[in-house]
Amino acid sequence: AQKITQTQPGMFVQEKEAVTLDCTYDTSDPSYGLFWYKQPSSGEMIFLIYQGSYDQQNATEGRYSLNFQKARKSANLVISASQLGDSAMYFCAMREYSSASKIIFGSGTRLSIRP
Amino acid sequence: GAVVSQHPSWVICKSGTSVKIECRSLDFQATTMFWYRQFPKQSLMLMATSNEGSKATYEQGVEKDKFLINHASLTLSTLTVTSAHPEDSSFYICSARGGSHTEAFFGQGTRLTVV
Repeated sequence: AQKITQTQPGMFVQEKEAVTLDCTYDTSDPSYGLFWYKQPSSGEMIFLIYQGSYDQQNATEGRYSLNFQKARKSANLVISASQLGDSAMYFCAMREYSSASKIIFGSGTRLSIRP
Repeated sequence: GAVVSQHPSWVICKSGTSVKIECRSLDFQATTMFWYRQFPKQSLMLMATSNEGSKATYEQGVEKDKFLINHASLTLSTLTVTSAHPEDSSFYICSARGGSHTEAFFGQGTRLTVV
């Protein structure tokens, strides 16, 4: 069974600093995808970044990068030069491609950026 | 990214009535749609997965007669909460996947309050 773990319920970071949000996962499927979503207080889910299990390089999207360590089964999100607008809930998610392909979410990390 | 529209964004209904929530993919064909429920300050809990033209697959513990899901076309899925009770009050959010997209895109969510 697939499982996603986010061990940081909340984090405070000074504006303009970089922040790393932790995510570990567990799966027996060799083919899977890892996602990060941002959920502001409005409730919408905003897709940030994707990493496939067979991708050789870490994914990057603007200020977001995914530190993918396959052997350790971790997929940490790194946000560089944090901004006040980055304050939100962040969810790590996984999809197993060989099975039902549903997307399962971790418990989330609430990130607060201090001015 | 692709656009998924969910309607209504909020609804208040009386106990015992039914409520229908719509989820539409506006610019791509959604072969798969997912329905999630989110309690305050918690993660998204997958309720069911629906593929166009077939019956939805419900997660364990989700009452299929209580939460009716219809995915009759490649752009529309509906969730009907039947005989709603106050404990059904929650944030319901859909996501859709299809076309050339690896990730799933989310609707804006529906906040249901049953009084």
